[in-house]
Amino acid sequence: AQKITQTQPGMFVQEKEAVTLDCTYDTSDQSYGLFWYKQPSSGEMIFLIYQGSYDEQNATEGRYSLNFQKARKSANLVISASQLGDSAMYFCAMREGRASRDYKLSFGAGTTVTVRA
Amino acid sequence: GAGVSQSPSNKVTEKGKDVELRCDPISGHTALYWYRQSLGQGLEFLIYFQGNSAPDKSGLPSDRFSAERTGGSVSTLTIQRTQQEDSAVYLCASSLEGGGGYQQYFGPGTRLTVT
Repeated sequence: AQKITQTQPGMFVQEKEAVTLDCTYDTSDQSYGLFWYKQPSSGEMIFLIYQGSYDEQNATEGRYSLNFQKARKSANLVISASQLGDSAMYFCAMREGRASRDYKLSFGAGTTVTVRA
Repeated sequence: GAGVSQSPSNKVTEKGKDVELRCDPISGHTALYWYRQSLGQGLEFLIYFQGNSAPDKSGLPSDRFSAERTGGSVSTLTIQRTQQEDSAVYLCASSLEGGGGYQQYFGPGTRLTVT
């Protein structure tokens, strides 16, 4: 079974508008972490935001916020005030467990975001 | 400071040849990861090194793949007898520690094409 599901292969958003990227996850661990990464056409993976399973508040980093709904096992990324430079592939990823060996990330298939001027 | 660097950036090789991919992690990062990104399989974990612990090789797809990390720093991923299905972008990442919320910093990747 897929650990991370991103159901939106591609999205278009108008410049200055907000966009929500969906991510659902599957784990039986109580302790886990959720990450969002951005991959522009250059190919490098850029960390955006992190949410721990025990964090009570939704994570925010500048224009990025994570809408964490634990009961629904969803961790949607919201990008506010979209900019042309936000055009990229976005990946949701999960780390399961708490120990130092619980390190590897499982990635979703990604969502391509295209920002229109 | 410098980020994660990888070399070469592009590698074209003939089927059956061996290749070596190099990763220089961020200085001071104890954890190092290799991932593979391909059209058919998405992003897959390959192998993980943490300090002096034995590496976790559970993601390596076959025994043609191996990796080592010398002196707790530079890592080399070796693919022997390359096959066309090995064509992918190989990404290296490093982090301060292996667990918790420590983010993984990724390198630019090596694009491997097997002809």
